[in-house]
Amino acid sequence: GEDVEQSLFLSVREGDSSVINCTYTDSSSTYLYWYKQEPGAGLQLLTYIFSNMDMKQDQRLTVLLNKKDKHLSLRIADTQTGDSAIYFCAAYGPSNDYKLSFGAGTTVTVRA
Amino acid sequence: GAVVSQHPSWVICKSGTSVKIECRSLDFQATTMFWYRQFPKQSLMLMATSNEGSKATYEQGVEKDKFLINHASLTLSTLTVTSAHPEDSSFYICSARSVYSESYEQYFGPGTRLTVT
Repeated sequence: GEDVEQSLFLSVREGDSSVINCTYTDSSSTYLYWYKQEPGAGLQLLTYIFSNMDMKQDQRLTVLLNKKDKHLSLRIADTQTGDSAIYFCAAYGPSNDYKLSFGAGTTVTVRA
Repeated sequence: GAVVSQHPSWVICKSGTSVKIECRSLDFQATTMFWYRQFPKQSLMLMATSNEGSKATYEQGVEKDKFLINHASLTLSTLTVTSAHPEDSSFYICSARSVYSESYEQYFGPGTRLTVT
């Protein structure tokens, strides 16, 4: 099956940019997603990228995909306190029977 | 758009009783719904996948007789935890995929916190 890995923690100063990294193992993954989870809540879909794209930008969010290295990143510009949450990377592809494979989640803490 | 609700948001039940959790897609039709379980400070563990009108497909190690899933319509799936025990206490999250989705994204509900005493 697919393995998705993320660093566990990120601390960032308010106003700075945050970069969350993710690696995956299945080169045939077709879609990659970023979800945000706040305490006690479900997951909110932030953005996704198709595997034939290198970059996708949506307001403060920029997703970069390096398909050769199987590396995905999420950049949050001008990070705010409301961005403090757990961010999950997920991959969709054949190696997990077309079910989402999630990373362990990166806890982002925004400090004043 | 793409809102998924769950009910109840939290429930406390006694050991041996059954609990039903509802998952609804409010503004879209979902061919496929998923049920996850999440332990504290951990990622999501897929329990089962259900398609409307057919039997759910359970992940390895998940007891289908204990976790009954019904996907009766394109907007409603239910998870019933039968004969609940304290080890079933967890955060249960459902998600749904739209019939019209071209990018296979899943939309998640807010989760249900189950505590079995």
